[in-house]
Amino acid sequence: AQSVTQLDSQVPVFEEAPVELRCNYSSSVSVYLFWYVQYPNQGLQLLLKYLSGSTLVKGINGFEAEFKKSETSFHLTKPSADMSDAAEYFCAVSDRGVTGGGNKLTFGTGTQLKVEL
Amino acid sequence: AAGVIQSPRHLIKEKRETATLKCYPIPRHDTVYWYQQGPGQDPQFLISFYEKMQSDKGSIPDRFSAQQFSDYHSELNMSSLELGDSALYFCASSLDRQGGNEQFFGPGTRLTVL
Repeated sequence: AQSVTQLDSQVPVFEEAPVELRCNYSSSVSVYLFWYVQYPNQGLQLLLKYLSGSTLVKGINGFEAEFKKSETSFHLTKPSADMSDAAEYFCAVSDRGVTGGGNKLTFGTGTQLKVEL
Repeated sequence: AAGVIQSPRHLIKEKRETATLKCYPIPRHDTVYWYQQGPGQDPQFLISFYEKMQSDKGSIPDRFSAQQFSDYHSELNMSSLELGDSALYFCASSLDRQGGNEQFFGPGTRLTVL
């Protein structure tokens, strides 16, 4: 069984300040890791994903995340917050190497990023 | 680019009624996933289909059923609706390959049960 922990339910930052949203996971098998963003009353948009290779992954809107296997973490960062970044962010995992429609996502409880002037 | 289409976008039902949610995946995608997101909650996996066959099942109540049709669209049927079924229901589609396939999410159907 997999689980994802996002310890911070809400993270306030000032505009242009750095952002870090934390994500830790637990799994008995190797996993793929994802970050999704959800704006109010909208669907989920993929920010970035880690499948293999370089552990530092760059995504859209200037976000990046680093996979640290020893710490079972996949924290999301951005050097400078923009007002448009205010949204709910979900970290998610799926089993590695599964085919035939078995790649369900297990989500964390989400982190609300609040950007203040 | 074509995205995942879900209909209706909003649905209001009374308790004990039935509801049908529809999902039209991105063309050529062969896999559909359904998720339920309660108010202030994270999305929870319900069920998935690959090539029109059920491939995985999560915490889906027995009152719910789903299928994927020959044109790959999928429908989630919900009967004997309860207040607790009020949620945002997402459909996601992907092109299945050796793991890591990105799931593209639709805008969701917001179901309100009164």
